[in-house]
Amino acid sequence: DQQVKQNSPSLSVQEGRISILNCDYTNSMFDYFLWYKKYPAEGPTFLISISSIKDKNEDGRFTVFLNKSAKHLSLHIVPSQPGDSAVYFCAASSWGKLIFGQGTELSVKP
Amino acid sequence: DARVTQTPRHKVTEMGQEVTMRCQPILGHNTVFWYRQTMMQGLELLAYFRNRAPLDDSGMPKDRFSAEMPDATLATLKIQPSEPRDSAVYFCASGGGEGFGSGNTIYFGEGSWLTVV
Repeated sequence: DQQVKQNSPSLSVQEGRISILNCDYTNSMFDYFLWYKKYPAEGPTFLISISSIKDKNEDGRFTVFLNKSAKHLSLHIVPSQPGDSAVYFCAASSWGKLIFGQGTELSVKP
Repeated sequence: DARVTQTPRHKVTEMGQEVTMRCQPILGHNTVFWYRQTMMQGLELLAYFRNRAPLDDSGMPKDRFSAEMPDATLATLKIQPSEPRDSAVYFCASGGGEGFGSGNTIYFGEGSWLTVV
């Protein structure tokens, strides 16, 4: 039973354009949502997070949007850069327990 | 430079052998997670500990997997006997300390790449 789902295994965008990565969850008890980025042969690294009491959090080129009624969140990267090419994992947290999705591999083409 | 340290980085073993993976969490972190990365499941939570006590190991196959924290600086994940389907990357992550909760991020090690032939 996948509580956190990323339905797009891959996404390809042109440099300078917007990348939108999506994530759905099923458990309404989650109170924090996080995005992690992973390069090959490395561990995931924290990117950005959002509390369930907010609907938007922005950090430079990265913005996370949360739609609680739809149990959906998205990560926007604007503008996308080739160095953003990586696997992005969505995670949801309840009492400090983090559940991750399957990941979306983003490829940003020059 | 504080980091989570995992050993071994790579392990190739024969089916039926015991495999032990080790993790040194960041000093002062009191919450430790074990995840397994697979193509189908993504980052799958196997077990996690707080203050060395297991909080949830429901994601772990109980018949062959075991996880322990002998002390605050060492977490272990053991597979006995190993099977080819256990081939994956196993990540340890830590977060903490007092008051660690949902809003806190966790920090991952570089992973242990396991191949069971």
